[in-house]
Amino acid sequence: SQQGEEDPQALSIQEGENATMNCSYKTSINNLQWYRQNSGRGLVHLILIRSNEREKHSGRLRVTLDTSKKSSSLLITASRAADTASYFCATEKASGNTPLVFGKGTRLSVIA
Amino acid sequence: DAGVTQSPTHLIKTRGQQVTLRCSPKSGHDTVSWYQQALGQGPQFIFQYYEEEERQRGNFPDRFSGHQFPNYSSELNVNALLLGDSALYLCASSSMQGLETQYFGPGTRLLVL
Repeated sequence: SQQGEEDPQALSIQEGENATMNCSYKTSINNLQWYRQNSGRGLVHLILIRSNEREKHSGRLRVTLDTSKKSSSLLITASRAADTASYFCATEKASGNTPLVFGKGTRLSVIA
Repeated sequence: DAGVTQSPTHLIKTRGQQVTLRCSPKSGHDTVSWYQQALGQGPQFIFQYYEEEERQRGNFPDRFSGHQFPNYSSELNVNALLLGDSALYLCASSSMQGLETQYFGPGTRLLVL
């Protein structure tokens, strides 16, 4: 079963704009991760945020985590056409090598 | 340094047949997990192998089985294929030494007719 739910299901923006995707989950977690998937190919790991962290940055990516609301957001700033992909959040209950539980993903389209 | 590799990339089978998918983990990784991703859905965990044993299993029937070899590579076998088994099958590798990130391969797309 899916743990998380991403919102929105689909998002279309112009190049240069910021894209925000949200993820909600149901049970307690050790960490939450965001992955990108291009055209039904493999998943690329973007960023991991631990349950005791509130915000994390990596390049143009900013992730927040609110464990009291069981939610996370992924912000992509200054989006590019190459950011067009599906984005998934995945939660891990314990540290290291426990199964990732994914949401259904957000399809992002960045229009040049 | 090769990443996670999977073979074949695409496969077409008919109902009732059996299929074997293969995965080689990233160098230095000893743990392989398999996920099934149906169209329009997020990946779902099938099972995980470490030290040639199945360590954890998701909610999948016994038709799904696997194996891990001494070189850490792994196979996923699906027997008595159903139309609903059509999906992208993803392999992820990691290290049991505590690294949290799982690295995914490109996947095998299986179509069951």
